[in-house]
Amino acid sequence: AQTIHQWPVAEIKAVGSPLSLGCTIKGKSSPNLYWYWQATGGTLQQLFYSITVGQVESVVQLNLSASRPKDDQFILSTEKLLLSHSGFYLCAWSLHLHQDTQYFGPGTRLLVL
Amino acid sequence: QQKVQQSPESLIVPEGGMASLNCTFSDRNSQYFWWYRQHSGEGPKALMSIFSNGDKKEGRFTAHLNKASLHVSLHIKDSQPSDSALYFCAVNSNNRIFFGDGTQLVVKP
Repeated sequence: AQTIHQWPVAEIKAVGSPLSLGCTIKGKSSPNLYWYWQATGGTLQQLFYSITVGQVESVVQLNLSASRPKDDQFILSTEKLLLSHSGFYLCAWSLHLHQDTQYFGPGTRLLVL
Repeated sequence: QQKVQQSPESLIVPEGGMASLNCTFSDRNSQYFWWYRQHSGEGPKALMSIFSNGDKKEGRFTAHLNKASLHVSLHIKDSQPSDSALYFCAVNSNNRIFFGDGTQLVVKP
């Protein structure tokens, strides 16, 4: 069975500080990976997707970047946090890109002060 | 760009009642549609997918798709308090997935 793990569970960070969020998928080879952002109680905004190691596509510009250093790992980062980065960050995987059910991780809650 | 709109924003139904959630989309070329459910503090979980016009039933959940009307709906029969959650409609378009703003469902015991 596939499992998806996100770390950390939650973060409180200062404006202007750097950030790195991680996501690991186990039990699935070469998954398509996604990062989403969600305001409290809000819709899911797709940020990035990746079909393979080293290849990441940006969907929206939010002063964030993403990398896929390993087949099972997806990293979201920024060098300078903004207040608007607060929210719930979700990692997901699917079998076929944008045409298949997406399976979400438990999420990381971020508060920027 | 694809617009996905859900209604109502919130819905309260009694335990055992029927909950009906609606979703409209704007891209006539969309082919894939999903309903996701998110309990508070958790990641969303897929409930159902529907790719052809008509009804698809899975247990207490029935999805209905009408591509000509740009409409997809979800009906939950015999609603349970555990069904209380935020429900999202998701639609593909131009190599992306677009989510609606969600319907907050509360099932009152």
